[in-house]
Amino acid sequence: GDSVTQMEGPVTLSEEAFLTINCTYTATGYPSLFWYVQYPGEGLQLLLKATKADDKGSNKGFEATYRKETTSFHLEKGSVQVSDSAVYFCALGNAGGTSYGKLTFGQGTILTVHP
Amino acid sequence: DTGVSQNPRHKITKRGQNVTFRCDPISEHNRLYWYRQTLGQGPEFLTYFQNEAQLEKSRLLSDRFSAERPKGSFSTLEIQRTEQGDSAMYLCASSSQTQLSSYEQYFGPGTRLTVT
Repeated sequence: GDSVTQMEGPVTLSEEAFLTINCTYTATGYPSLFWYVQYPGEGLQLLLKATKADDKGSNKGFEATYRKETTSFHLEKGSVQVSDSAVYFCALGNAGGTSYGKLTFGQGTILTVHP
Repeated sequence: DTGVSQNPRHKITKRGQNVTFRCDPISEHNRLYWYRQTLGQGPEFLTYFQNEAQLEKSRLLSDRFSAERPKGSFSTLEIQRTEQGDSAMYLCASSSQTQLSSYEQYFGPGTRLTVT
């Protein structure tokens, strides 16, 4: 079945540091890929998405490129802020078969940014 | 619209008791999803509805779990004869019907269940 693996965390950075959170996936067909974010005390929110190979999703300074050859969707940001402290989840959606709209999530990566 | 709401936010129950959670989706969304999240893990899919029809159930959803969505609006998730292993955060999400937008799911804050 489909699966998503994220880099083990947590990740602790100083403000303005470069961020990379690794994500790899296993799926049949042509999944869409997502990053969701959960800020403290809030529900999961969609951060960015990519629907086909080589697509780049971007939002709020975060970027991720859909790499089919390496089955990866790594999240990057050039300069993190304290307000980026949150839990980040990589996810895939596979429209094949009957799993229409079902998301498969990675285990999440806790990011803490210090001033 | 204030987004997806869930009630209660926290529930503590004794093993063997029944519990019911409610989810109110974004009003124009006809798809509704339930996920379960345990500590340190990502959400795991449980079931989803398109309007009032329950179209898919995960094998995680044992026969002690039942979900309904009468009239295609709010949904309830009931757990009968709760076990300690049911302790988790139960998340509800909703989305609109088009293929891609189904994955752009809007999540509620969750109901945290603790079974003692």
